[in-house]
Amino acid sequence: DIQMTQSPSSLSASVADRVTITCRASQRLSNYLNWYQQRPGKAPKLLIFGASTLQSGVPSRFSGSGSGTDFSLTISSLQPEDSATYYCQQSYTTPYTFGQGTKLEVK
Amino acid sequence: QVTLRESGPALVKPTQTLALTCTFSGFSLSTTGMSVSWIRQPPGKALEWLARVDWNDDKYYSTYLKTRLTISKDTSKNQVVLTMTNMDPVDTATYFCARQPVNVGWFDPWGQGTLVTVSP
Repeated sequence: DIQMTQSPSSLSASVADRVTITCRASQRLSNYLNWYQQRPGKAPKLLIFGASTLQSGVPSRFSGSGSGTDFSLTISSLQPEDSATYYCQQSYTTPYTFGQGTKLEVK
Repeated sequence: QVTLRESGPALVKPTQTLALTCTFSGFSLSTTGMSVSWIRQPPGKALEWLARVDWNDDKYYSTYLKTRLTISKDTSKNQVVLTMTNMDPVDTATYFCARQPVNVGWFDPWGQGTLVTVSP
């Protein structure tokens, strides 16, 4: 199975800050990498697919980049509602695998 | 509008078999390239993909759980069923189903999830 490693596991930042979460895969994925946001008690929501394509309706302050084994999710100007846990997921091959999650607190 | 909803027992005993149903609307599993996956999340832990069924009835399973899982679809009812045998307390989790286009592999949207607790 492909292993997905996210960093950091948690972070705290202030409103208007810029933050970056990274995701590393144990083998090359091309651009088959997706990002999800999960607020407490809710189902995950697709933010970015294909490493860098913003899902419809997702604010433009979210962006994704990377290919191969190294990927990142950047939030350019944090808002209070961005407090959530973020997961990367590889869709290069089954079995699909997720990162362990990054818990973001917006102060 | 695409929606999915999970249903099934909230409590099962160890060694029992769990059966969960995903009922969806807004798309069809007879459409070429479409699939539905199940994903679970133990309390406070990360997401774990379990299984996928495709429009052509191809099926894929988690490496570690494949001996315990069976996924099936009823296209006429717009339902996907996941069964998991020999339930254990470590299987306590919220179970989600999600629509998944096969060629890109992302999950969207997700159902609200159903919490299954395994306890004597």
